[in-house]
Parts: sequence; structure tokens; C-alpha cells
Amino acid sequence: QVQLVQSGAEVKKPGASVKVSCKASGYTFTGYYMHWVRQAPGQGLEWMGWINPNSGGTNYAQKFQGRVTMTRDTSISTAYMELSRLRSDDTAVYYCARDPSPMYDSSGYYFGYWGQGTLVTVSS
Amino acid sequence: QSALTQPRSVSGSPGQSVTISCTGTSSDVGGYNYVSWYQQHPGKAPKLMIYDVSKRPSGVPDRFSGSKSGNTASLTISGLQAEDEADYYCCSYAGSFGGGTKLTVL
Repeated sequence: QVQLVQSGAEVKKPGASVKVSCKASGYTFTGYYMHWVRQAPGQGLEWMGWINPNSGGTNYAQKFQGRVTMTRDTSISTAYMELSRLRSDDTAVYYCARDPSPMYDSSGYYFGYWGQGTLVTVSS
Repeated sequence: QSALTQPRSVSGSPGQSVTISCTGTSSDVGGYNYVSWYQQHPGKAPKLMIYDVSKRPSGVPDRFSGSKSGNTASLTISGLQAEDEADYYCCSYAGSFGGGTKLTVL
């Protein structure tokens, strides 16, 4: 069964960086796009970008260009999302979410399997 | 401010049907058949309910259906059940989400 297990909660100061991990199991890690979606407290969902775990290619939402870096380590089936220059409004739960379809059959931006979420709190 | 517009809340009684709308533009909802819907219970990760406008993933009850007309997509839930009470989000091309709709089962 597909499982995405994320790293634990983080507390950071403004201006710092945070790196969240997402360990995948139950499927071929390099065969499916991995997305990152965040949700501020009491707010809606916000797509941040995706990574192609096979090639390492990425596509970031314009809002996060220059601040976000998505990487992967195929040897341990783990995707990472690093957000820099943190601000208080970056306080949110960050989710990794896998495309339900394999890359060769992927169409729209769909999020079929989700991690449990990682709370990142930015506070001085 | 979300790219797609959803009503903040809808409600219905058990057994009834409700429809949640999701309005975008010809650059997202109207231009592509890449609309999806997500259900989110409090404190939980979202769950994919509909993709490609009207397709249901395996395991999603057929009480949930999706459609699209022009720049507006819709999610209809028939035969409302207590467990359907949740937040619902639409999503269109390139990851544009709606602001979410809280469904209350009366």
C-alpha cells in the first residue's frame, strides 16, 4: 500500500529555512510526480510545486519561485521541500502528495495520496 | 485570494442532495478538463474524490459526482450522510485551488 511519511513538526525564526522530508513506500518512487501543498491555519490549500523523482526536474508555483527548492534522494525513496527566508505567514501544515497516475499517464495536477502533514511554525 | 471561487458554506439534511460550485476562468476551469475535488475532515489530510471533472477514484462512493459547464465546475453529493460533513476544495489546471466550502449535514 502507498505510504508517505513526513518528518516532524518544526519551529523556526523569521528569516531561517526549513527542510521537510517525505519518505515514500509501497510503490516505485521514481514513477510518479510528487507535489507539495500547504495549508495555513484555518485556511485553504495552496499548491507549491512538483518534482519528477526520476529526473529531479521541478516546477514551482510562481509565488514560491526563488524561495523553494524541491529535491529527492532515490536511494531512500525520499522527497524534500526546503523553504527559505521564512516569514510568519509561512506558518502552515505542509503536505507531500503523490500523483495517482504514473508519469507516462499523468495529465492534470492531481493529488491521490497524501502524507500526514508537517506543521511548520514561524515565530520570533 | 484564491484563483477559483467557491461558496463558503452549504448545508443539507441527510438523504438530500447538495451541489458545490467552483468558478474560474477560460484559462483554468473552462480551458481544461483537469478539475478535481478534495474532501477534508478536520485535522486530516485531504482526500481525492473526483478527477478529470467527473471521474471517481476507486473506493469513492457513486453518491459523489462531478460536472462542468463553461467556467464553472460542480460537485454534487446525493443521499447525504453524516460522514460527508467536511470541507471540500476544487482544483484546476496547474494547481489552482478554490477557497474551500464547508458542508454541514443538518
